[in-house]
Amino acid sequence: AQRVTQPEKLLSVFKGAPVELKCNYSYSGSPELFWYVQYSRQRLQLLLRHISRESIKGFTADLNKGETSFHLKKPFAQEEDSAMYYCALTTSGSRLTFGEGTQLTVNP
Amino acid sequence: GAGVSQSPRYKVAKRGQDVALRCDPISGHVSLFWYQQALGQGPEFLTYFQNEAQLDKSGLPSDRFFAERPEGSVSTLKIQRTQQEDSAVYLCASSSETGLYSYNEQFFGPGTRLTVL
Repeated sequence: AQRVTQPEKLLSVFKGAPVELKCNYSYSGSPELFWYVQYSRQRLQLLLRHISRESIKGFTADLNKGETSFHLKKPFAQEEDSAMYYCALTTSGSRLTFGEGTQLTVNP
Repeated sequence: GAGVSQSPRYKVAKRGQDVALRCDPISGHVSLFWYQQALGQGPEFLTYFQNEAQLDKSGLPSDRFFAERPEGSVSTLKIQRTQQEDSAVYLCASSSETGLYSYNEQFFGPGTRLTVL
């Protein structure tokens, strides 16, 4: 069965500092990986997906199949990045398997 | 247009009561998903519909949980004889279509927070 692990429940950085949210997965095949974000009092929304290889709000994530990782990175964190971030995967194109989430706080 | 809506937003039930949670997907979305999110955890898959067909219900934790989507639009998640461990946020999501090798973005509703006393 597939599994997603986010080792940090809480992550705190200062504005302008680099940030990296870690995500590791276990699956023997080739899953699709995603990052979802939930801002305060808002609903869960897709931030980015690995196959699109795009940068959203300054965030990027590279799929490393050798290390089975999909870490989310941003070189200069902003206060508005404070949110709960979930790494997720799908193997079937339908159901998502989520990690437990990382609460990111960007301090002024 | 309107996003996914869920009702009620909050539900308090006494242990043993039955509850029904409603999801209105985005108009025209073929696929509908239910997830359960316990406090401090990520969402966990419950069940999935494509139109009115329930294609996957492997995530339903017990036979007390039942979901339906009779006309391929609105869906209801029913929990019978609620237990304290059922307390969670129940999320509904819809997407335009799913295929074996492609993923279409799932759009989430605001969730229903269920508290079982």
